Amino acid sequence: AQSVTQLDSQVPVFEEAPVELRCNYSSSVSVYLFWYVQYPNQGLQLLLKYLSGSTLVKGINGFEAEFNKSQTSFHLRKPSVHISDTAEYFCAVRTSGYSTLTFGKGTMLLVSP
Amino acid sequence: EAQVTQNPRYLITVTGKKLTVTCSQNMNHEYMSWYRQDPGLGLRQIYYSMNVEVTDKGDVPEGYKVSRKEKRNFPLILESPSPNQTSLYFCASSLRRGTGETQYFGPGTRLLVL
Repeated sequence: AQSVTQLDSQVPVFEEAPVELRCNYSSSVSVYLFWYVQYPNQGLQLLLKYLSGSTLVKGINGFEAEFNKSQTSFHLRKPSVHISDTAEYFCAVRTSGYSTLTFGKGTMLLVSP
Repeated sequence: EAQVTQNPRYLITVTGKKLTVTCSQNMNHEYMSWYRQDPGLGLRQIYYSMNVEVTDKGDVPEGYKVSRKEKRNFPLILESPSPNQTSLYFCASSLRRGTGETQYFGPGTRLLVL
């Protein structure tokens, strides 16, 4: 079975500060990892995904994530956040041959001036 | 514009009154699914469909039905809604079932069952 743990339910930061949102997964087989963002009153949209190859993945809006197989992690980072980055962020995992995308419980990023 | 649409966006109903939430995509996607989002629980999959007339249960299917008679539409049916089905519902689609496929989400339907 696959599972995802997002270690922080809320992360408050000041504008222009760096941020890291943590995600750990559990799976005994190869994984495909995703980060989605949900802005207030909207559906989810894909930020970035890791399928294979380079472990550093760049996404939209200046976000990037690093796949670490030994730590079973896929943390999301941004070097300088904006007020407009305030949203809920979901990490998700899918394993080879399994159709369900399993989501973490989400991390609310709160950016203040 | 490529999109997933859901209707209605907001719905208040009473226990036991059958309702249907529609979902439609215009991207010719094969794979469609329904999720519910609850505070502190993230998104959980209710049902999914790999193509027309092919549907299967997700993680929390109890109390829900779906059908896939046309490729573009994937309605969610609550035959006898109960208060524990009060939630935010999302429909999603992707080109196919593949593990690396990006899912595109609708705007959500907020349901309150009294």
